[in-house]
Amino acid sequence: KNEVEQSPQNLTAQEGEFITINCSYSVGISALHWLQQHPGGGIVSLFMLSSGKKKHGRLIATINIQEKHSSLHITASHPRDSAVYICAAGGSQGNLIFGKGTKLSVKP
Amino acid sequence: GAVVSQHPSRVICKSGTSVKIECRSLDFQATTMFWYRQFPKKSLMLMATSNEGSKATYEQGVEKDKFLINHASLTLSTLTVTSAHPEDSSFYICSATQSPNTGELFFGEGSRLTVL
Repeated sequence: KNEVEQSPQNLTAQEGEFITINCSYSVGISALHWLQQHPGGGIVSLFMLSSGKKKHGRLIATINIQEKHSSLHITASHPRDSAVYICAAGGSQGNLIFGKGTKLSVKP
Repeated sequence: GAVVSQHPSRVICKSGTSVKIECRSLDFQATTMFWYRQFPKKSLMLMATSNEGSKATYEQGVEKDKFLINHASLTLSTLTVTSAHPEDSSFYICSATQSPNTGELFFGEGSRLTVL
């Protein structure tokens, strides 16, 4: 069993739909990261959270430490949100254990 | 926001040669830099953690003599793939942070290595 599990693996949505990507982890963490990887490979850090909830524009990330579960939500999805979203468990030294990613495709 | 620049973005080399990849933090001092590798359709995997002025810490299964990491300054870390083989062909990406356990991570654009 992977230490960081993401679901779904692939997700296709219509523009405007509300999207949820889930992440469960089995390791102890200092922080949980949500990353966005574009087709060219470049990665952008979306959120780093250790408790509660964070919001940035149309993106919302939540974490439940007791349940070792985090979710990434995208409201009013848009084709430009199409990317691979990666959940990563962060250790105390900043080292990350990555999930396999969720490939999101938002259709116009 | 902070920017991490990685160079080259793409490199093709012959088997047996060495390739150096640079990772620079452009507007902050990166006390810690991380190097990752991603094979096609696979997860990112941490290769090593690099702290300025000290030896890198390698993850299990990563050969330190093959993947040489140097973090000589607070803004530059380099990864040298020595005696490259086709199986080293991969996407290599770095990240940098000012504070490894509390600070935000900033990622480079990645370097795609193809070894012929």
